[in-house]
Amino acid sequence: AQKITQTQPGMFVQEKEAVTLDCTYDTSDPSYGLFWYKQPSSGEMIFLIYQGSYDQQNATEGRYSLNFQKARKSANLVISASQLGDSAMYFCAMREDFQTGANNLFFGTGTRLTVIP
Amino acid sequence: DSGVTQTPKHLITATGQRVTLRCSPRSGDLSVYWYQQSLDQGLQFLIQYYNGEERAKGNILERFSAQQFPDLHSELNLSSLELGDSALYFCASTPPHSRTGELFFGEGSRLTVL
Repeated sequence: AQKITQTQPGMFVQEKEAVTLDCTYDTSDPSYGLFWYKQPSSGEMIFLIYQGSYDQQNATEGRYSLNFQKARKSANLVISASQLGDSAMYFCAMREDFQTGANNLFFGTGTRLTVIP
Repeated sequence: DSGVTQTPKHLITATGQRVTLRCSPRSGDLSVYWYQQSLDQGLQFLIQYYNGEERAKGNILERFSAQQFPDLHSELNLSSLELGDSALYFCASTPPHSRTGELFFGEGSRLTVL
């Protein structure tokens, strides 16, 4: 079974509008972390936001917020006030704290976001 | 700039050849991770080293090997290359005692096998 599922291969959003990128995860580990990374066309992976499984509040980092619904096992990324520079691939990832014993991340297949002027 | 340095940035080689990719983690980071990003497989975890020791192994082929040296830089060796090995290879590091376990990625080494 896929540990991370991103069902939206591509998304379009109007500049200055908000957009939600979906991510669901699958784990039986009681402790885990969820991450979002951005990959622009230049190729580098840029960390955006983190949510721990025990964090009570949804994470926020500037224009990025993570809508964490633990019972639904979803960790959607919300980008507010989209900018042209937000056009990129976005990856959801998960770290399982006990099952793997390591810190490696499992990544989803990504969502390509295009911001329309 | 994440602070993780990878060389070379681009590499073109032929099937059957062997290449070495090099990574220097951020100053103070003891862990190094290698990932492969290809069009058909997405981002796949290959292997992790912590302070010179192998910590975890993912989907790494037997033709591939890695090591981390005493100065903490790491090398990923790819041998008997096949067309399907063409991919972007990332190295990442993480600081010790990090609350989030966030990985800092290098810019990647793009390998093309012809």
